[in-house]
Amino acid sequence: AQSVSQHNHHVILSEAASLELGCNYSYGGTVNLFWYVQYPGQHLQLLLKYFSGDPLVKGIKGFEAEFIKSKFSFNLRKPSVQWSDTAEYFCAVNARSNTGKLIFGQGTTLQVKP
Amino acid sequence: NAGVTQTPKFQVLKTGQSMTLQCAQDMNHEYMSWYRQDPGMGLRLIHYSVGAGITDQGEVPNGYNVSRSTTEDFPLRLLSAAPSQTSVYFCASSYLDRGRDGYTFGSGTRLTVV
Repeated sequence: AQSVSQHNHHVILSEAASLELGCNYSYGGTVNLFWYVQYPGQHLQLLLKYFSGDPLVKGIKGFEAEFIKSKFSFNLRKPSVQWSDTAEYFCAVNARSNTGKLIFGQGTTLQVKP
Repeated sequence: NAGVTQTPKFQVLKTGQSMTLQCAQDMNHEYMSWYRQDPGMGLRLIHYSVGAGITDQGEVPNGYNVSRSTTEDFPLRLLSAAPSQTSVYFCASSYLDRGRDGYTFGSGTRLTVV
C-alpha cells in the first residue's frame, strides 16, 4: 500500500522568502503525484500534479514541484512567498493501477509573515 | 455545474446516534471518496468507489458504511456515532482517466459527537 510523508509540519517564513516543502512517498509501482492547498476555512484545491513527462511541473500561483523518482520525492517550491500563501499544504499520491485510492500526507502548515 | 455538494455543513450528534452524510456530484465522475481531516493527521481515506455498485475500504473504514447505487451519489453512514468520529469530512470525485486530473473536493461537513 502507498504512504506519504511530509517532513515539515509547520513552517514560518517572511514575505519574499523562498519555500521548499518536502514530500516522500512509499510505493513500488508507478504513481501520480499531487499537491493540494487548503486556505483557512476552505476546501482543498489542486495546486499541481505530475503523472508523466517533464519531472519539473508548474502549477498555479507560481508554485512548482520536482519529481525525483530515485528519491521517491515530490518537493514543492516557490521562489518568493506572499502573505496570501498562508495555508495548509498537502502532498498526495495514487497508484496508476488504482487511482481511486488517493493517499495524503499529514500536511504542512505554512505561515507567511507580512 | 455545482461540482461536489456535501450536506449538511455542520452537525452535532450524541454518542450512539446514527446519521448519513450526503455527497452528490454532477460531473459524471466514476471515482468518489470520503476522507476525514483531523489536526496533524492530514486527510485519511475512509471509503472509496470506482463506480456505481462498487466500493472499497480506505485507511480508516471502521465505524463507517457506504454504498453507491448511482454515479452521482455516495452517502457515508455512521451507524453508532462515537466521540472519536468528531472530525471534518470531505467528499471528493474524479474521472476514471488514470486519476490524472486529481480529485474535486466538496466544502466539507464538520461533525461533532458529544
